[in-house]
Amino acid sequence: QKEVEQNSGPLSVPEGAIASLNCTYSDRGSQSFFWYRQYSGKSPELIMSIYSNGDKEDGRFTAQLNKASQYVSLLIRDSQPSDSATYLCAVSRGFQKLVFGTGTRLLVSP
Amino acid sequence: EPEVTQTPSHQVTQMGQEVILRCVPISNHLYFYWYRQILGQKVEFLVSFYNNEISEKSEIFDDQFSVERPDGSNFTLKIRSTKLEDSAMYFCATGDIGSNQPQHFGDGTRLSIL
Repeated sequence: QKEVEQNSGPLSVPEGAIASLNCTYSDRGSQSFFWYRQYSGKSPELIMSIYSNGDKEDGRFTAQLNKASQYVSLLIRDSQPSDSATYLCAVSRGFQKLVFGTGTRLLVSP
Repeated sequence: EPEVTQTPSHQVTQMGQEVILRCVPISNHLYFYWYRQILGQKVEFLVSFYNNEISEKSEIFDDQFSVERPDGSNFTLKIRSTKLEDSAMYFCATGDIGSNQPQHFGDGTRLSIL
C-alpha cells in the first residue's frame, strides 16, 4: 500500500471552475498535512497546511482533513490558467520527514 | 520573504566523481532536510538534520551520502562516487522550531551524471 496516494490526472477544468484534488494516506500517526504546488522543473511551493479535522480556507484555496477516513483534499475556487501545475500532497509526523504523493496534474483551460 | 538558497542550480559531473550540493537555510530555522526527485517521479526524502546531527535517514541515504553544517550556516549534501542513477533534482528544505511548522523548499540543484 502506497503511503500517500493521489490520482495522477491530469484533472482538466475550465477557467473559473472549482478544481477538487484528493489524497489518502496510510500512516494514522500523521499529524501534519500539506499541499504543495510544483510547476514543471521547479521546486515545491507550500500553498496550504492543515493539522486538525475540518476545513481551512485561504483565499481561493480550501483544505479539508478527515483523519478518521485518512483523507485530505484541496479545493481551488475560480481556477485560473496560472493554477495549472502539479499539486503534491505531503504528510508528516510533526517535524519529521515529509512523505509525498506522486502529485495530481491540474490543467486549467482558458 | 526569507527563502532557502541552493547552489549550484545545475551541476554536471562525470560518473564516479564527488559532488557537494550547498544550501543556505532560512536564518532562524533549526530543522534541515534533503529530498530528491528523479525526473517524472515523486519527491523522496533523503535525510533530516537537527542539532548538528542526523535525526532520520531513508534507505536511499547510504554510505555514498553525507551531510554536514561546516560553518554553522551552510548545510551541505556530499555524494561520493556518483552513479548515473543519482541524476535528479535535489531539494533542500528547512523548518522552524515547533513540531507542526511547514518545510520550505529551495529552488533545487539539478544534478546530471554523465
